[in-house]
Amino acid sequence: DTEVTQTPKHLVMGMTNKKSLKCEQHMGHRAMYWYKQKAKKPPELMFVYSYEKLSINESVPSRFSPECPNSSLLNLHLHALQPEDSALYLCASSEGPGMSKETQYFGPGTRLLVL
Amino acid sequence: GENVEQHPSTLSVQEGDSAVIKCTYSDSASNYFPWYKQELGKGPQLIIDIRSNVGEKKDQRIAVTLNKTAKHFSLHITETQPEDSAVYFCAASIRSGGYNKLIFGAGTRLAVHP
Repeated sequence: DTEVTQTPKHLVMGMTNKKSLKCEQHMGHRAMYWYKQKAKKPPELMFVYSYEKLSINESVPSRFSPECPNSSLLNLHLHALQPEDSALYLCASSEGPGMSKETQYFGPGTRLLVL
Repeated sequence: GENVEQHPSTLSVQEGDSAVIKCTYSDSASNYFPWYKQELGKGPQLIIDIRSNVGEKKDQRIAVTLNKTAKHFSLHITETQPEDSAVYFCAASIRSGGYNKLIFGAGTRLAVHP
């Protein structure tokens, strides 16, 4: 089973709201990723967690705050977002961060609309 | 930094024909190349991948070829079906700070007409 689940599927929020996106995998993977995807564009990496520690932050604005409570869960906390942050937010996981374990499996995404 | 170029951006074929999508990469240290299929409203789905110690890999109607010298790799879909219609992304893995990252191509929108 290579399933990554994400909730919610859709989210509408105002610029003053605080919300969270959730991602879960039960494959025993030790690396998890957040991507942002705008319409008709490829996914853009935001964060990488490896063994529950933040390993890569691709210079993402602080209004996006990731959290990895345990090896199966990954959250993305959102606060004071801008309309241009509207996008599909994808979570992915891989067996590990290193070579030969880097195959990434994606979840279905959360479609976010910021008003 | 690493750059992955993907062509064509759109591809229209008749059902039963073959489709070929090509990608080139710039970092000679890249050694892992996955292909993803993304249907409307869904997340990317891994369809096939190849590592640099292999020149070709096949899975039923899908095959990928890799030319490390020329730094390009291609996806071949034979006997296309309408359900193959989707956006396809190639990617190349690079090392960054001790971790692997995927750099994606811009995507190819494939339309298979009955």
